[in-house]
Amino acid sequence: KAGVTQTPRYLIKTRGQQVTLSCSPISGHRSVSWYQQTPGQGLQFLFEYFSETQRNKGNFPGRFSGRQFSNSRSEMNVSTLELGDSALYLCASSLGGAREKLFFGSGTQLSVL
Amino acid sequence: GENVEQHPSTLSVQEGDSAVIKCTYSDSASNYFPWYKQELGKRPQLIIDIRSNVGEKKDQRIAVTLNKTAKHFSLHITETQPEDSAVYFCAASRSRAGNMLTFGGGTRLMVKP
Repeated sequence: KAGVTQTPRYLIKTRGQQVTLSCSPISGHRSVSWYQQTPGQGLQFLFEYFSETQRNKGNFPGRFSGRQFSNSRSEMNVSTLELGDSALYLCASSLGGAREKLFFGSGTQLSVL
Repeated sequence: GENVEQHPSTLSVQEGDSAVIKCTYSDSASNYFPWYKQELGKRPQLIIDIRSNVGEKKDQRIAVTLNKTAKHFSLHITETQPEDSAVYFCAASRSRAGNMLTFGGGTRLMVKP
């Protein structure tokens, strides 16, 4: 089985712009979660989607949003980018139950200049 | 919300020695505690997890212990090898539905040959 695929691998944006990141889960996985990883804050939960619905949400501002399509692929959008949004954005997929093993993608490294 | 603290932030051991990483959590409703290993430049991968109805779990050289009363859990690695060098993250979850993990800040483990 192919692993979790994230595109693009790297992104460079300027303040005020918006960005869309993509995540394709492992085939058969219905849950996709997004995490922000920074050296100072570690791994922070953004949100989780299951069956095209947001099931859990972390403590991030409304500039961060996401969606999931019928094929379980997910996108994450960040609007009005700030310097502090520079981070590695990781998505993880799982079958869809609770307390499951998460399979992470390689991440998208976002740099905001 | 949940808060997970992890200690130490860095740990250096000689090959063959044991390594112990400790985490405390704040939410007594948390019931799932996974540990993820992230090698340099790679994605996090689950190495072991424990549920709240179990006090200890072992998998070859890796073991995790859970003390629900004190709200802390620990990762034990015996007979460390250079390939154990990585950043280790503990996490906690209270989700009844889905997977929303609160991660600790990470421990950089260095195993010296």
